[in-house]
Amino acid sequence: GQSLEQPSEVTAVEGAIVQINCTYQTSGFYGLSWYQQHDGGAPTFLSYNALDGLEETGRFSSFLSRSDSYGYLLLQELQMKDSASYFCAVLGAGGSQGNLIFGKGTKLSVKP
Amino acid sequence: NAGVMQNPRHLVRRRGQEARLRCSPMKGHSHVYWYRQLPEEGLKFMVYLQKENIIDESGMPKERFSAEFPKEGPSILRIQQVVRGDSAAYFCASSPSGRGNSPLHFGNGTRLTVT
Repeated sequence: GQSLEQPSEVTAVEGAIVQINCTYQTSGFYGLSWYQQHDGGAPTFLSYNALDGLEETGRFSSFLSRSDSYGYLLLQELQMKDSASYFCAVLGAGGSQGNLIFGKGTKLSVKP
Repeated sequence: NAGVMQNPRHLVRRRGQEARLRCSPMKGHSHVYWYRQLPEEGLKFMVYLQKENIIDESGMPKERFSAEFPKEGPSILRIQQVVRGDSAAYFCASSPSGRGNSPLHFGNGTRLTVT
């Protein structure tokens, strides 16, 4: 089966850097994605890593180590609007985007 | 440039009634997915459809739940004889392809409350 582990909550201050870790167990691996969800809102896609290494997109970066079954999302220069839940997700069997398995999410609170 | 549209935003049903949730994918997207989310939980995959076809329904309960994505019109998630445990947020997503690196675009969800 497939499962993902991520911290349930993280708190940081404005301007700081925060790292949200995700470890996964999968029967086959086809990539790790990250989504952001504000309270009551639609999840929005942040990043996708299929290969080892760091992918940078503005203030957000995502890292993957396939040998360690581990990835993280790095948020820099935190802003109040970054307060949200962040979900890591892996593709289900066969690599079809259809069956995306999500972690339970990490609630990030950014304090002034 | 409308995103994924879901309606209604909120739906209240009494036990035993039927719930119909609608989803119009983004323009140009032919792949639709339904997910369910309980409070403080991640999203749980239910079903993946392409126009007129169910591709993967492994996450959908065998009884009372059904989904369709007709040639014309929105995708419908139908829950018959609702029970209190069906109360959740139901999110629809779409993508232009079913490839692994194709991000999902989610709608704002339908919050179903069963009383």
